[in-house]
Formats: sequence, structure tokens, C-alpha cells
Amino acid sequence: SQQGEEDPQALSIQEGENATMNCSYKTSINNLQWYRQNSGRGLVHLILIRSNEREKHSGRLRVTLDTSKKSSSLLITASRAADTASYFCATDEHGSGNTGKLIFGQGTTLQVKP
Amino acid sequence: GAGVSQSPSNKVTEKGKDVELRCDPISGHTALYWYRQSLGQGLEFLIYFQGNSAPDKSGLPSDRFSAERTGGSVSTLTIQRTQQEDSAVYLCASRPDRGGSPLHFGNGTRLTVT
Repeated sequence: SQQGEEDPQALSIQEGENATMNCSYKTSINNLQWYRQNSGRGLVHLILIRSNEREKHSGRLRVTLDTSKKSSSLLITASRAADTASYFCATDEHGSGNTGKLIFGQGTTLQVKP
Repeated sequence: GAGVSQSPSNKVTEKGKDVELRCDPISGHTALYWYRQSLGQGLEFLIYFQGNSAPDKSGLPSDRFSAERTGGSVSTLTIQRTQQEDSAVYLCASRPDRGGSPLHFGNGTRLTVT
């Protein structure tokens, strides 16, 4: 079963604008990760935020995590046409087994228009 | 260094035939994952190998699907008696430990069942 649910499913913005994508999940987690996928390619890791962190930055990326609401957001600032891709959140499930199974959401398709 | 390698990159097969998909993870990575991605969809977890532990097969959709990992390195995903609904991109990923680190993905095998 899928753990993460992203919204919106699709987002279209103009170059230079900010893009915000949200992810909700259901169970306790060790960490939450965001990935990017260009069409026809594998996924590329963007950023990881641990369950005891609330915010993390990497370049033009800002990720927040609210474990009380079981939600995370990814903000891409000053977007570029090259940011056009699908973005996925993934959760490292935490449980008695701590299996390390990483569950992905359905993704947000971002289109940045030049 | 070398990334995760998957072969073949594309596979077209007739309904009812068996197929084998191969994944070469990054050297030294103990964890290996298989996911399935249907067109425009998110990633569906299939199976997860961690070191010498018994694999987590909870995501395999039917007993037609099986996977092996030989010598803690190369993995093969086998689909027997393929059906049209098996058509998808099969993605392999690896990471160096049980959890808390990002996945490294291959570019996938696109399977088309005619």
C-alpha cells in the first residue's frame, strides 16, 4: 500500500515563481525523503529530513516536516524550466521491525513554463 | 563511480511468456529494492532485500512474481506467464544500509506485454 499522498497531483507555474508540493503519510517514520524524476528516467534523491527535524534547506529547496500532522512540504524557490519533472515523497517506515522499507507517494508533476 | 545498472532497458514480450529483469546495485550496498511504476503513476513497492536477511516480499502482486539476490549483489526479478497488466517500468534501487540514507535508482526496465 502507498504511504505518502502528494498534492497537488499536477502543478503548472511560470519560471521564477515558487512551487510548493505537499505530502501526507500515515504511520510513524524515521525520516522522509523527496525525489525527483525526469521523464523516462530513474528517481534522483533531493533531500532527506529526519523525524526529529522540522525544516531543512538545500540550495533552492526547502523541506518542512510536521510529525504531529504527518505531513511534509517541498518548496522550490525561483523555479526554472529545468525543474520540470515529477516529485515524489518517500517515507522510511518506523516500527517494531524497522525494516527499512521505503514507501513512495503518487507524486506531483511540476511544469515550469519559460 | 558506477551507479545502479538495470538490463534490459526495454523488453517486449508476448502474453504468457516468462521474463527476467536484472539489477546490478552499487558495489557495497547491502539493501536492494524493486519497484513497479505504471504510466504516469507513483512507485509500487515490490520486494526488498537487506543483507542476508529474508527478503520482504510483501509487495509482490501475485505468485507469478519472484526475485532473487545472489551473493548479496546482483538481483533478478522474474515474472512468469506475463499478463498485459504487467506492462510497466520496473525500477531497482540500492542503498548502503538498513535505513536513514537515500536510495540510488537505476533507469529502469520498460516491460511491454503484447
